[in-house]
Amino acid sequence: LAKTTQPISMDSYEGQEVNITCSHNNIATNDYITWYQQFPSQGPRFIIQGYKTKVTNEVASLFIPADRKSSTLSLPRVSLSDTAVYYCLVPERPGNTPLVFGKGTRLSVIA
Amino acid sequence: ETGVTQTPRHLVMGMTNKKSLKCEQHLGHNAMYWYKQSAKKPLELMFVYNFKEQTENNSVPSRFSPECPNSSHLFLHLHTLQPEDSALYLCASSPWGGEPYNEQFFGPGTRLTVL
Repeated sequence: LAKTTQPISMDSYEGQEVNITCSHNNIATNDYITWYQQFPSQGPRFIIQGYKTKVTNEVASLFIPADRKSSTLSLPRVSLSDTAVYYCLVPERPGNTPLVFGKGTRLSVIA
Repeated sequence: ETGVTQTPRHLVMGMTNKKSLKCEQHLGHNAMYWYKQSAKKPLELMFVYNFKEQTENNSVPSRFSPECPNSSHLFLHLHTLQPEDSALYLCASSPWGGEPYNEQFFGPGTRLTVL
C-alpha cells in the first residue's frame, strides 16, 4: 500500500509559481493521486485529482510522470491567500476506505 | 444554507459536561465522516457513516458517541472528555462511502476546548 512523502514546509514570494512534489513509490496500478488544500482553522478542500500525465483546472496543475512514483502540484502565480497546507493522498489501506491525510506541506506565501 | 455546516463553531466544556456537535450537509450525499485535528497533527478519521450505517470506527474512545439519524445529519455526543481531546472536529460528506476517490466536502469545524 502506498504512502506519501512530501516536504514539511515551503516558502514562496507572491507572484511566483510553486511546485510541491510528492513521492509515492508504492502506488498501485489503479490508484489515483488526490490533492487537498487546508486553510487555517478550516476543513480541507479538494483541489485536483489525476492518474497520469497532466491534469489542469482553474486552481492548479498536476504533473504525473510515466512511472507514477511521484507527482507535482503546480500553483501558478501564488498570492498571500494561497498560504495553506497542501495534502497529497493515495490509498494507504486495502478495500474501499477513505483516503488517509498525512502531515501535508505547509506553504507560506510572503509579500 | 449550502455545503456542510457545523454547530457550534466553538465550544468550551468541562470534563464532567455532556455536549453534542452537530453537522448537516445540504449536498444530497450519502456518506458522512467525523475527523479530529489536534494541533500540529494530521487529520485523524474517527467515524464513517454510509447510508446512515456506521461503516468505520477507528478505535475511538467511548466518550465519543456518534449518531447519524439520516444521511443529512451527523452528531457527535461528548461526555467526560479529557483535556487532550481539545481539537478541531471536522465533519465531511461525500456522495457515497466506501470509495477512496469520492471528493470529500468538509465543514468549517468545531473548535473544542476541554478544561
